[in-house]
Amino acid sequence: NAGVTQTPKFQVLKTGQSMTLQCAQDMNHNSMYWYRQDPGMGLRLIYYSASEGTTDKGEVPNGYNVSRLNKREFSLRLESAAPSQTSVYFCASSRFGQGGSDTQYFGPGTRLTVL
Amino acid sequence: SQKIEQNSEALNIQEGKTATLTCNYTNYSPAYLQWYRQDPGRGPVFLLLIRENEKEKRKERLKVTFDTTLKQSLFHITAAQPADSATYLCALEGGGSQGNLIFGKGTKLSVKP
Repeated sequence: NAGVTQTPKFQVLKTGQSMTLQCAQDMNHNSMYWYRQDPGMGLRLIYYSASEGTTDKGEVPNGYNVSRLNKREFSLRLESAAPSQTSVYFCASSRFGQGGSDTQYFGPGTRLTVL
Repeated sequence: SQKIEQNSEALNIQEGKTATLTCNYTNYSPAYLQWYRQDPGRGPVFLLLIRENEKEKRKERLKVTFDTTLKQSLFHITAAQPADSATYLCALEGGGSQGNLIFGKGTKLSVKP
């Protein structure tokens, strides 16, 4: 099992450019998540998908869109990148999506710099 | 809104000692609390989950306590080793839709030989 995979690992964008971060999991998990991690801010939830076909906003959704393509894949799109979106992005998945009793499995992260 | 605090950004200890990390929360009564480990350049990795009716949970050299009266969890690593050096995150259920976790900012543990 590869677990949770993310592409790309690194990306540099110019302000205004768009890009899509890809995430896939091979654990047959129902729920998937996108976080961003910034120094001094910790992990903050951007969007999540409790199950295939559903998506919901997290704490910091502005400037992002997501697509739950199928049970395995959950992508994050930046339509018009801004320097404030410079961050490390983590995708995660969990088996049931049942609140605090469900552990999350994280991918290796994407380091995004917006100039 | 829920607030979770790990009141030490960094903790330095000597090899062989016990590391104790603290996680406090307010405005909430979670039924579960989780601890994760994060190494530089990597995603967090789950370590332990403790339920509100469990006072203590152990896994090898790790021990977690959960005091719902104090609204606090303590994370202990006994006989700490340099390989235990990492950032440790506590997380509790967000109270919103299913599956959400709120993470603390983490405590960076350094174990010196």
